[in-house]
Amino acid sequence: EAGVTQFPSHSVIEKGQTVTLRCDPISGHDNLYWYRRVMGKEIKFLLHFVKESKQDESGMPNNRFLAERTGGTYSTLKVQPAELEDSGVYFCASSQVVVSPLHFGNGTRLTVT
Amino acid sequence: GDSVTQMEGPVTLSEEAFLTINCTYTATGYPSLFWYVQYPGEGLQLLLKATKADDKGSNKGFEATYRKETTSFHLEKGSVQVSDSAVYFCALSKAGGGADGLTFGKGTHLIIQP
Repeated sequence: EAGVTQFPSHSVIEKGQTVTLRCDPISGHDNLYWYRRVMGKEIKFLLHFVKESKQDESGMPNNRFLAERTGGTYSTLKVQPAELEDSGVYFCASSQVVVSPLHFGNGTRLTVT
Repeated sequence: GDSVTQMEGPVTLSEEAFLTINCTYTATGYPSLFWYVQYPGEGLQLLLKATKADDKGSNKGFEATYRKETTSFHLEKGSVQVSDSAVYFCALSKAGGGADGLTFGKGTHLIIQP
């Protein structure tokens, strides 16, 4: 089976610009998660979708971040406007049910200059 | 809140050396504990897990034992290989044995030299 895929793998943008990250989970996985690792720090939970519904978005840092999962398939994470502190690696993960193991994508490395 | 603390590295070892990466946690209740590994250019992969006290997770020669009395989940391997070079993340989850809303440590970069 195809794994979790993320696009793009790298993105370099200027402060104030907008960036949209995409995640395609494994087919049939209802649970989709976004995580972020800022350089030298922990990987932090951002939010959790069950199908198209946001189950938990307690980790979203502020209202410049918007996550969607229309139709319960792929998800997008938009940052608008981007700030320097948004730089990091954004990971997406999916699972069939909450208690099953997470499958992670390779991540998107975002650099805001 | 919940937290995970692990040695940050980089940890540099010679091939066939013994490996220990320390991990301790702070959490209420009875979390599940995990080790994830990220090989160069790849995503995070689950290496092993333990869901209750005294459980031992093992995979690919790696082991870790859930020690509630010391709130630890140290990762060990008896003889490391160059191919083990990667970043290792200790993590916990409160979601009844699952992986919902994982809390991660900062990661330990392991470098194995031939």
